[in-house]
Amino acid sequence: NAGVTQTPKFRVLKTGQSMTLLCAQDMNHEYMYWYRQDPGMGLRLIHYSVGEGTTAKGEVPDGYNVSRLKKQNFLLGLESAAPSQTSVYFCASSYLAGRGQETQYFGPGTRLLVL
Amino acid sequence: RKEVEQDPGPFNVPEGATVAFNCTYSNSASQSFFWYRQDCRKEPKLLMSVYSSGNEDGRFTAQLNRASQYISLLIRDSKLSDSATYLCARGAGSYQLTFGKGTKLSVIP
Repeated sequence: NAGVTQTPKFRVLKTGQSMTLLCAQDMNHEYMYWYRQDPGMGLRLIHYSVGEGTTAKGEVPDGYNVSRLKKQNFLLGLESAAPSQTSVYFCASSYLAGRGQETQYFGPGTRLLVL
Repeated sequence: RKEVEQDPGPFNVPEGATVAFNCTYSNSASQSFFWYRQDCRKEPKLLMSVYSSGNEDGRFTAQLNRASQYISLLIRDSKLSDSATYLCARGAGSYQLTFGKGTKLSVIP
């Protein structure tokens, strides 16, 4: 199993450009998450999904949109990138199975630089 | 008070030393806690889960103190390969986790 994969690994955008980050997991997990990690701020939840076709806002959702059209994929979109969105983005997934259901497995991250 | 707080460190310890980190949390209803390890420029990886009083895995021991609302991570016989940032997290309901900002550990030869 590849686990959680993310594409691209690195991207440079100009202010105002749009892009989509792709997260894929092959573990049949119900739950998927998008985080951003900034120096001194820790991991902050952007959006999450509890199943195919559902999404919900996390702690810092502004400026981002998400979609979960297939169970194994979770897309994060930036419609009009801003320098404040320069960050490392991590996708994670977790399974629904009693104790340990909150254990999250992370992808390798996408480094985004917005100029 | 932030939901999950950690001392950012860095903790610089010699090889073979024992080191402990604490993580305090503000939501007394939390039922599950986790320690993740994050290497530089890598993703967080689960180190240990803590549901009751504690958990032990080799050189690593996690303890939960509900009365004082903190969890600790003890690393015995530190190795150079233990150098990383250790993230504490608590279950936040709806299958979400709330993370601390991490504690950086450097094990020195």
